[in-house]
Amino acid sequence: QSALTQPASVSGSPGQSITISCTGTSSDVGSYNLVSWYQQHPGKAPKLMIYEVSKRPSGVSNRFSGSKSGNTASLTISGLQAEDEADYYCCSYAGSRGVYVFGTGTKVTVL
Amino acid sequence: EVQLVESGGGLVKPGGSLRLSCAASGFTFSSYSMNWVRQAPGKGLEWVSSISSSSSYIYYADSVKGRFTISRDNAKNSLYLQMNSLRAEDTAVYYCARGYCSGGSCPPGGNWFDPWGQGTLVTVSS
Repeated sequence: QSALTQPASVSGSPGQSITISCTGTSSDVGSYNLVSWYQQHPGKAPKLMIYEVSKRPSGVSNRFSGSKSGNTASLTISGLQAEDEADYYCCSYAGSRGVYVFGTGTKVTVL
Repeated sequence: EVQLVESGGGLVKPGGSLRLSCAASGFTFSSYSMNWVRQAPGKGLEWVSSISSSSSYIYYADSVKGRFTISRDNAKNSLYLQMNSLRAEDTAVYYCARGYCSGGSCPPGGNWFDPWGQGTLVTVSS
């Protein structure tokens, strides 16, 4: 199972909006509404930011939103803040053998 | 407070074995599936294995199948990962993560992973 494809890096100025794409296949992202997104600061454990494509856990800022179209999921961060600078990973269930696949990861830089 | 704490990492020679543990607290452990996810130094996240709440369903990534064994002890609120025939490419921080099911039919490892433990470092080197 190959990793989902994410851009290596995305940057934006404070207050701007950025979008991170996560491209998979019809066997994973395209088949299941089970895409989740995780934020990871250096040396820290990943933190859930979005689940089931577009749902936001309690405690996560409404500046974070998710969507999906076909085989590509997206995470949008609006009103970019310095604390949003981190690595972001998407994840999708890939069915059949109970497999999950993560994205390659995107480093978000706040300019 | 929901908490997961991994232990058991360390330095091991190629071909050696190691057993990781994950102690859970703050939730009904026996009601949730559990997962192991690893991250090689400077690399991305890689799903390793999932186990359902009653251990009825167990799945592994191809990269560890036949070498790693996931298990759990619901009476002790603990998750384990027995790692045998370790290779240099198994060097990583290993995280345990609770699998959350929103209801209805869910994959064995849950619909998403939350929360995660702080991780334990496994280094395979001679």
